[in-house]
Amino acid sequence: GAGVSQSPSNKVTEKGKDVELRCDPISGHTALYWYRQSLGQGLEFLIYFQGNSAPDKSGLPSDRFSAERTGGSVSTLTIQRTQQEDSAVYLCASSLVRTGRAWLSEQFFGPGTRLTVL
Amino acid sequence: AQSVTQLGSHVSVSEGALVLLRCNYSSSVPPYLFWYVQYPNQGLQLLLKYTSAATLVKGINGFEAEFKKSETSFHLTKPSAHMSDAAEYFCAVSGSSGFGNEKLTFGTGTRLTIIP
Repeated sequence: GAGVSQSPSNKVTEKGKDVELRCDPISGHTALYWYRQSLGQGLEFLIYFQGNSAPDKSGLPSDRFSAERTGGSVSTLTIQRTQQEDSAVYLCASSLVRTGRAWLSEQFFGPGTRLTVL
Repeated sequence: AQSVTQLGSHVSVSEGALVLLRCNYSSSVPPYLFWYVQYPNQGLQLLLKYTSAATLVKGINGFEAEFKKSETSFHLTKPSAHMSDAAEYFCAVSGSSGFGNEKLTFGTGTRLTIIP
């Protein structure tokens, strides 16, 4: 398909386990974002990639969270030693960056991964 | 810092009635503002965006929003509600200067229910 895809769609894990969440952006989109949607915190930004670099990691809630992007395409968000408060829907978005104030790139969102930590 | 506030976490309207979802923003620079819709178990879909080109912005599915600087508002409207409009709606502001990182700061969302 042409949209952003994420896998798995649902993940149930036990407290203390590590999990990896995958995002396949739209082909050619250089910008990639991770967001988290939870009942207590709403929708919040986690990390931004431009190509394979992550110039903005300011939203990662703790050092248990990390992310990487390879080949300017697929991104993986890893949560180590999961806690119950990590339960949320993790959304990925990608966009085609344009330059200049007249443009603002639309972010296309994937369907999300619902993470449940027992 | 930029932020948005959505007034009303739940809004119910009758089918065919006017839809009005409220959003107020706070920004020290001219903001870029968005409305997204989220249907159950789906990701976010962009309804419309304000980028300073025009204060009245028309989006998909008959929605529109008006940017009012004096009121720091960007309310979403639709003249006649349809059953398919039932969803959650998010107002968002971008921290971007128009290049590069355009991370979004979202409001808490408004769940719209349509009464048959």
